[in-house]
Amino acid sequence: EDQVTQSPEALRLQEGESSSLNCSYTVSGLRGLFWYRQDPGKGPEFLFTLYSAGEEKEKERLKATLTKKESFLHITAPKPEDSATYLCAVRGNKLVFGAGTILRVKS
Amino acid sequence: GAVVSQHPSRVICKSGTSVKIECRSLDFQATTMFWYRQFPKKSLMLMATSNEGSKATYEQGVEKDKFLINHASLTLSTLTVTSAHPEDSSFYICSARRLSGQETQYFGPGTRLLVL
Repeated sequence: EDQVTQSPEALRLQEGESSSLNCSYTVSGLRGLFWYRQDPGKGPEFLFTLYSAGEEKEKERLKATLTKKESFLHITAPKPEDSATYLCAVRGNKLVFGAGTILRVKS
Repeated sequence: GAVVSQHPSRVICKSGTSVKIECRSLDFQATTMFWYRQFPKKSLMLMATSNEGSKATYEQGVEKDKFLINHASLTLSTLTVTSAHPEDSSFYICSARRLSGQETQYFGPGTRLLVL
C-alpha cells in the first residue's frame, strides 16, 4: 500500500529563519510527487510536481527536491504569510496524501 | 492558470435531505475529476474518481448510493449526498486533472457541509 509520512507535524519559525519540511514515501510505480499549500478552510493550492529523483523546482522562497525515498520542501527566509499547512502527495495508482506539516512563521 | 470552483462553499441542511455540490474547471477541460473528504486536522481522503461520460469509481468503504457522482461535461462534476445524516458533516473538496495527461490535480476551494 502506498504511504506518505510528513515530518515534523508542526514547525514554528521566526521570520527569516530558513528550514526544511520532509516527506517520506513508499509507492509502487511513482507517477509524480506533489506539494500543496492549504490555508484553514480552503482547498489545497498547487505548488510543485516532481517526477524523478534528482529533480528540483523553485518558486519564490520555496524549493522542492526529490530522491527515491523522500522529498524536501526548503523554505528560505520565510515570512508570516508563508504560514499554512503544507501537504505532500504521491501518485501511484491514486493520489495519496500525507498528514501535512503545520508551519507558523512569527514576525 | 488552472482554476477550479465549487458551489456552494458552505451548506447547512436537515437530516434526511439531499445536498448537491458542484465542481467546475473554469479555464481548462478535465476528463477526470476527483472528490475528497477532509476531517478536521486530518488529510484528504479520496472518495471517488469521476470520468466524463462514464460511471464514477468509488474507493473502498465509500457508499456509491449515498454519494452520487455525475460528470456530465468536461468542466462539470457534481456530488450529491443523499439522505444526509450528521455523520456526513465534513469538508468536501474536488479536484480536476487537465486533458493533456499531466498528473497534477488542481483543487477547488472546498464545501463545508453541516447536517443538523
